[in-house]
Parts: sequence; structure tokens; C-alpha cells
Amino acid sequence: GQNIDQPTEMTATEGAIVQINCTYQTSGFNGLFWYQQHAGEAPTFLSYNVLDGLEEKGRFSSFLSRSKGYSYLLLKELQMKDSASYLCAAADNYGQNFVFGPGTRLSVLP
Amino acid sequence: DSGVTQTPKHLITATGQRVTLRCSPRSGDLSVYWYQQSLDQGLQFLIQYYNGEERAKGNILERFSAQQFPDLHSELNLSSLELGDSALYFCASNQGGFQETQYFGPGTRLLVL
Repeated sequence: GQNIDQPTEMTATEGAIVQINCTYQTSGFNGLFWYQQHAGEAPTFLSYNVLDGLEEKGRFSSFLSRSKGYSYLLLKELQMKDSASYLCAAADNYGQNFVFGPGTRLSVLP
Repeated sequence: DSGVTQTPKHLITATGQRVTLRCSPRSGDLSVYWYQQSLDQGLQFLIQYYNGEERAKGNILERFSAQQFPDLHSELNLSSLELGDSALYFCASNQGGFQETQYFGPGTRLLVL
């Protein structure tokens, strides 16, 4: 089966850097995704990692360690609009399941 | 705007009833995914269709069923509704499988009274 864990809530200050961690256990692994979801809205894609290492995309970066079953999303120069839930999700190696973590609700304070 | 459309936006119904949710994928996408998001269980994968055929099945109840039509739009049928079925139902699409980015529609908010 698959299990994904993330912190429930985090708080950070505008302009700061925040790291949201995700640990996963999957029967097979075919990549890890991060999605952003504002309250009442649809999730939107942020990043995808299938190989170990850091992927940078503007203010957002995502890191993956497959041997440790660990990923993090790094948000730099935080803005108020970054207040949202961040969902970690993993696809299994058999293409039969896609599991989202519980999401981390990030609050950015002025 | 992701290019994925869902109707209706809101739906209120009673326990025991049956409803149909509709999804039109992005132009060119062959895969459609259905998800349920409730407050206590987060975002749960229900089922995937690819070019009209069921490809993967997640935590979908037997009371729920789906299909994808030749024009690639999809419908999710929910029957014998219970209070616990109240949730946001999202449809997503892409060109292939789970390893590709999924584009989510705006969702249908279902309230069962």
C-alpha cells in the first residue's frame, strides 16, 4: 500500500523561506508531485520529481531522496498569496494508484 | 483556468438519491481522473479512464460508478447517497498516466441532506 505524511499546519512570515516536508511509503514508486490548493479551489501543479535531487522553479524548489522516502518543498520570498494548502502526492510503479498526503496548511503572516 | 470543465458547480440532494457529475477534459487529453475531497479524508483518488476504458481504480465505493464517452467527457454516478458522501468532487485530465501532470477542474460541491 501507500502512505504519505506531512505536517498539518505551518506558519511563516512574509519574505521568509519555508520548507514543507513529506515522507512517503509506496509499493513501487513512479514520481512525487507537489500541488498547491487555495481554500475552495482546485489543486494546481507545482513540481514533479522522479530522480533524486533538487528541482528549482522560480521561488519554489522541490527535493527528492528516493532512498529515504523523503521530499520537501521550499518556498522562498514568501508572499501573502502563498497562504494555501500544499499537497504531496505519489504515483505507484504499477500505474494503478495515486495517493495524496493530508496536505500542509501554510499561513503567511505580514 | 485549467481547461477542464465540470458541471454542476453545486448540487444539493437528499439521502438515498442518485446524482450524475459531468467532466469535460482539456482538449487533446485522453485520461480523466475522479477525486473526492472531504474535510476528514483529504483528497482521495476514485477512478481513472483512458480513451474510454477504465485504467485504474482507487477508493471508489460500489455505489459509485463512472464512464468515459467517445467524445472523452466523463460522468461520475453516485447512488444511494449518504450524508458522508457530501464532499467536493474533482475531475482532472492529462494525456496519459499518473506520471504526468494532472490538470484539475473547478470541482462539484455535493451536499447530501
